[in-house]
Amino acid sequence: NAGVMQNPRHLVRRRGQEARLRCSPMKGHSHVYWYRQLPEEGLKFMVYLQKENIIDESGMPKERFSAEFPKEGPSILRIQQVVRGDSAAYFCASSRDRAYNSPLHFGNGTRLTVT
Amino acid sequence: AQTVTQSQPEMSVQEAETVTLSCTYDTSENNYYLFWYKQPPSRQMILVIRQEAYKQQNATENRFSVNFQKAAKSFSLKISDSQLGDTAMYFCAYLGGSSNTGKLIFGQGTTLQVKP
Repeated sequence: NAGVMQNPRHLVRRRGQEARLRCSPMKGHSHVYWYRQLPEEGLKFMVYLQKENIIDESGMPKERFSAEFPKEGPSILRIQQVVRGDSAAYFCASSRDRAYNSPLHFGNGTRLTVT
Repeated sequence: AQTVTQSQPEMSVQEAETVTLSCTYDTSENNYYLFWYKQPPSRQMILVIRQEAYKQQNATENRFSVNFQKAAKSFSLKISDSQLGDTAMYFCAYLGGSSNTGKLIFGQGTTLQVKP
C-alpha cells in the first residue's frame, strides 16, 4: 500500500506566480490535511478536507490560499501570487477515519521556495 | 487555546544508551490524544507513538515508551538502546478529542543526535 504521495518534492516560484501542490492520500483514506512547516519550527495546521468538503480551514490565510479535494484525483493546495513569506515545507496527511479514530499518515512534503 | 512546549531544542546520546525527550502541554479538555512524531533528514513525518488521555497505562512501541503524567500535563518520550537511525527531529503533538478536526498542535521540536 503506497503511502501519501506529494508532488512536486521541490517547487521554485518567482514572486507573483501561482503554486499548486498535489497530494494523493493513501488508498482507502478519505480525510486529508494540509500543514505548513517554517524553518526550525513545528508543523502548523492549515486545512482539513473530507472528499469535496472543507471541514476545518481555521489555519488557512484568508487571502491567496485555497484547497480542494475533488471526488476524483488528488487534493490540491493552491497559493496565488506567492510572496517570499510563503517559502516553507508543505505537508499533506491522510487518515481512514477522523483523526481521533485513526492515525494521520504524512507525505514527504513539498518544499516551496519563492525567489 | 491549547499549546505544546518542548523545552530542549537539541539533545545528544551515545549509541545503545537511553535518552528522554520532554514535552508539556496546556489544555482545558479532558479527552485528547498525544503523539510523538519523528522527522529524519528525509523530511518525512513518521508516527512514533500515540497515547489516549483516558488511558492510564503508558504507551510503548518497541524501544520507545512514554511517561504520561496527566495531572502535570507532561508527556515525555524515552528511547532505549538508541540507534544511529534514531537521529532525527522529534515533535510532540496534541489532538483534541472533542472536535471534528485534524488540527494537530505541534511543539517546536527537539533535534536528537545519536553518536557512535
